[in-house]
Amino acid sequence: AQSVTQLGSHVSVSEGALVLLRCNYSSSVPPYLFWYVQYPNQGLQLLLKYTTGATLVKGINGFEAEFKKSETSFHLTKPSAHMSDAAEYFCAVTSYSGGGADGLTFGKGTHLIIQP
Amino acid sequence: EAGVTQSPTHLIKTRGQQATLRCSPISGHTSVYWYQQALGLGLQFLLWYDEGEERNRGNFPPRFSGRQFPNYSSELNVNALELEDSALYLCASRIQGARNEQFFGPGTRLTVL
Repeated sequence: AQSVTQLGSHVSVSEGALVLLRCNYSSSVPPYLFWYVQYPNQGLQLLLKYTTGATLVKGINGFEAEFKKSETSFHLTKPSAHMSDAAEYFCAVTSYSGGGADGLTFGKGTHLIIQP
Repeated sequence: EAGVTQSPTHLIKTRGQQATLRCSPISGHTSVYWYQQALGLGLQFLLWYDEGEERNRGNFPPRFSGRQFPNYSSELNVNALELEDSALYLCASRIQGARNEQFFGPGTRLTVL
């Protein structure tokens, strides 16, 4: 079984400050890890993903995340927050077999608040 | 390129009725996934269809069912609706290949009265 823990249901940062959203996972098989963003009354948009290879992955809108196997973490960062970053962020994990990629297991989400 | 589409946008039903939700994947995507996003419960995996077959299901009762058609579109059926079925139902599609992500639709908001 796989699981995801997102520390902090709400994170508040000032505009221009560093954004750090924490994600820890549990998986008995090599994980595929994702960060998605959800704006109010919308579906999910992929920010970035880790499957194999380079452990530091860059995504859209200036976000990046680093896969740390020893810490079972995949924290999301952005050097400088913008007002438009205010949204709900979800970390997710899945695994891949010859039959395809299974359904995603999501964390409970982190609501990012940007203070002017 | 058109994204994942879902219909209807909103659906209102009463307890005991049946609901049918529809999803059209991105062209070329053969896998369709269904998720439930209920208040307080977060995003939970419901069903996975690939090449017309159910590949896996999450921890949901059998009254949640679905199918995938030859054109890869999909239906989610929820029978004997209960109040706690009220949620946003998200569909996602994925193209074959190990490193490919799921693309999500805008969702169907189901309200059970």
